Amino acid sequence: NAGVTQTPKFQVLKTGQSMTLQCAQDMNHEYMSWYRQDPGMGLRLIHYSVGAGITDQGEVPNGYNVSRSTTEDFPLRLLSAAPSQTSVYFCASSYSHWTSTDTQYFGPGTRLTVL
Amino acid sequence: SQQGEEDPQALSIQEGENATMNCSYKTSINNLQWYRQNSGRGLVHLILIRSNEREKHSGRLRVTLDTSKKSSSLLITASRAADTASYFCATLSGANNLFFGTGTRLTVIP
Repeated sequence: NAGVTQTPKFQVLKTGQSMTLQCAQDMNHEYMSWYRQDPGMGLRLIHYSVGAGITDQGEVPNGYNVSRSTTEDFPLRLLSAAPSQTSVYFCASSYSHWTSTDTQYFGPGTRLTVL
Repeated sequence: SQQGEEDPQALSIQEGENATMNCSYKTSINNLQWYRQNSGRGLVHLILIRSNEREKHSGRLRVTLDTSKKSSSLLITASRAADTASYFCATLSGANNLFFGTGTRLTVIP
């Protein structure tokens, strides 16, 4: 198993540009999430999905869109990049809900810089 | 915000010593989880403790939870250089609100 994969690893954007961060998992997990990690802030949940076709907002959803057309993929779209979106983005997945003892698996992260 | 706070922010110990880090949170929780993050890598799940549990062990890890004080501690016994990493607590409130703390940076000196 490749686990949770993310592409790209690094990205530099100019303000106003759009892009999609890719996330895929090959563990047949129902739950997938996107987080951003900023210095001194810990991880904050952007969007999550409890299954194909179902998404919902997390703590900091503004400026981001997601979709879940398949179980495997959960892309994160930045509609119009802003410097405040400079961060490290992590995708995670788990077989069942966080309230269970199931482990949440994280991808290696995408480091995004918006100039 | 429900975001937890770890204490201390940074900890440096000698190999073989025990490391203790603490997490405090603000509202009632369903469970609390601890994660490790090596530099430049994603998070790795270490252990989950439910709100009705007080202590849990996993190998060299011991986690305690005191819901009356809204705090948890992670003890790593007989630390190794490979334990050098940042450690985060995450609390689950309600169905889908998973909040991460700001992390403790642990350095284990060989």
